[in-house]
Amino acid sequence: TQLLEQSPQFLSIQEGENLTVYCNSSSVFSSLQWYRQEPGEGPVLLVTVVTGGEVKKLKRLTFQFGDARKDSSLHITAAQPGDTGLYLCAGAKGYQKVTFGIGTKLQVIP
Amino acid sequence: GAGVSQTPSNKVTEKGKYVELRCDPISGHTALYWYRQSLGQGPEFLIYFQGTGAADDSGLPNDRFFAVRPEGSVSTLKIQRTERGDSAVYLCASSKMFASGANVLTFGAGSRLTVL
Repeated sequence: TQLLEQSPQFLSIQEGENLTVYCNSSSVFSSLQWYRQEPGEGPVLLVTVVTGGEVKKLKRLTFQFGDARKDSSLHITAAQPGDTGLYLCAGAKGYQKVTFGIGTKLQVIP
Repeated sequence: GAGVSQTPSNKVTEKGKYVELRCDPISGHTALYWYRQSLGQGPEFLIYFQGTGAADDSGLPNDRFFAVRPEGSVSTLKIQRTERGDSAVYLCASSKMFASGANVLTFGAGSRLTVL
């Protein structure tokens, strides 16, 4: 049973398009993180959100944490080929194990 | 070191052999995590340590898998009687807790295990 559900699992879009990736759970998390992973490397942290309703922006990326702290979204504006990768959401409950979603594999076509 | 170091980066072994994978975390990070990742999938939790003790080993698939962290720094993941299904990338991460309550992981590049 996947604690964190991500959708879509695969996404192939043209350069310049916008996209949104969703991360949903029935559990409440004290923090939720988004990571990006490229082939042959470990995941790299993009952002951490800790407050329900929180919105964070990182250049063309916008992250939102749901009011109930059970879900999150990642929106990318004007996608670039360099955005290609595996996007992972991860939830943590205090200083306990961090659980990852299955990931969204994004391909941005030039 | 500045980052999380994992060795070996690649390991090819035969079915039934014993394998050790090493992780050297960021200095000062008290928590250390092991994950297993299959191609195109998210990391699957195996075990995490707080200091020297295993705080949660619920992700270890069976008793062929064992991990230690004897001095609260370097950790070794040990796999006995390897099977072809054990082939995957084994990721290690260390973490620190921020005042905000966020538990942020820093990953190594992983050890790719192939069991023939």
